[in-house]
Amino acid sequence: DVKVTQSSRYLVKRTGEKVFLECVQDMDHENMFWYRQDPGLGLRLIYFSYDVKMKEKGDIPEGYSVSREKKERFSLILESASTNQTSMYLCASSLGGTNQPQHFGDGTRLSIL
Amino acid sequence: GESVGLHLPTLSVQEGDNSIINCAYSNSASDYFIWYKQESGKGPQFIIDIRSNMDKRQGQRVTVLLNKTVKHLSLQIAATQPGDSAVYFCAERTHGYGQNFVFGPGTRLSVLP
Repeated sequence: DVKVTQSSRYLVKRTGEKVFLECVQDMDHENMFWYRQDPGLGLRLIYFSYDVKMKEKGDIPEGYSVSREKKERFSLILESASTNQTSMYLCASSLGGTNQPQHFGDGTRLSIL
Repeated sequence: GESVGLHLPTLSVQEGDNSIINCAYSNSASDYFIWYKQESGKGPQFIIDIRSNMDKRQGQRVTVLLNKTVKHLSLQIAATQPGDSAVYFCAERTHGYGQNFVFGPGTRLSVLP
């Protein structure tokens, strides 16, 4: 089975802090994704990566950056956390090529105080 | 547990009955679709997928139907069980958009004893 592991289930940070969310997948997937999930808004894509050291902006990249130094690890960075970044963050991975499902981690519920 | 969505459409069914969850997708150029199940406090779990060259696909106790004419997708769950209680949402991939998906808002399925 595909395993996508997010380092923290719950995280509480303060406004202005730099926050790192880590995600690791163990299936040698080429593609990795970061989403946030908010009530009534569904999943929204923040950033994605199709290869090591490669990144592309999703629909809502403002206030975020990412890092993919190794194939199995994709990190989401909140440069200066703000209260409107309180959300559930979900990481996903998929094989390369077309028509491949994304497999998700269990999420990190981040609260910014 | 955590609530994925506060104002989601809700479908309540009796244990043992069949469930039908519907999804209207937005883009006629979409060519690949996935159904996910999300239980409280967990990440989305892949259930079944279907390509646009198919009308129907069956899995274990689940069937997905695709009607491209009206851009409609449905998930049928046979003999619904208490463990099926979750939020279900569809995802569509539009041709030419790489591996990026658009996710629906979801439907909450409640199984009554």
